Amino acid sequence: AQSVTQLGSHVSVSEGALVLLRCNYSSSVPPYLFWYVQYPNQGLQLLLKYTSAATLVKGINGFEAEFKKSETSFHLTKPSAHMSDAAEYFCAVMHGGTSYGKLTFGQGTILTVHP
Amino acid sequence: KAGVTQTPRYLIKTRGQQVTLSCSPISGHRSVSWYQQTPGQGLQFLFEYFSETQRNKGNFPGRFSGRQFSNSRSEMNVSTLELGDSALYLCASSLVGGAMNTEAFFGQGTRLTVV
Repeated sequence: AQSVTQLGSHVSVSEGALVLLRCNYSSSVPPYLFWYVQYPNQGLQLLLKYTSAATLVKGINGFEAEFKKSETSFHLTKPSAHMSDAAEYFCAVMHGGTSYGKLTFGQGTILTVHP
Repeated sequence: KAGVTQTPRYLIKTRGQQVTLSCSPISGHRSVSWYQQTPGQGLQFLFEYFSETQRNKGNFPGRFSGRQFSNSRSEMNVSTLELGDSALYLCASSLVGGAMNTEAFFGQGTRLTVV
């Protein structure tokens, strides 16, 4: 069974500092991996996705993530945090085959950005 | 291009009642998935529909059901509501529901409160 672990339910950074949100997955085969962001009272917005084309994936709003098979990790980074990055971030996995439409999410990490 | 539309946005129901939530996917998208989001359990997959057929189902009791119409619009129904059903229900649409070449677009959700 797939599972996703996000290390740290809360991360706090200063504006302009590096953002690092951690995600590890457990899967017998490399899955498809995603990062979503959720603002208060909103749905989820896709930041980026890994589908085996390249291990370093660039997404929207300056975010990127690196797939490391040896570490079963897919950590999300942004070089310089902005106040507007404050939100909750979710890592998710999906297998191909018959796992149609089924994303398995981590528990989420709330990012706080201080001025 | 219109996004995923969920109606209603907010709903208050009494224990024992039933409720129907609606989701209109992005035009051209044929896959619709439903998720339940609660503070305790996080984001959990309910089911996925494609061309009016349920292809995948999460681990929820039979009180939770859904359907999809020929225009790809989807509804989910919860019968005999329990207090624990209070949650944000999110709908996601994608072209075909697989991970490789599509991404899931989420609606803003329906906030259900059971009293």
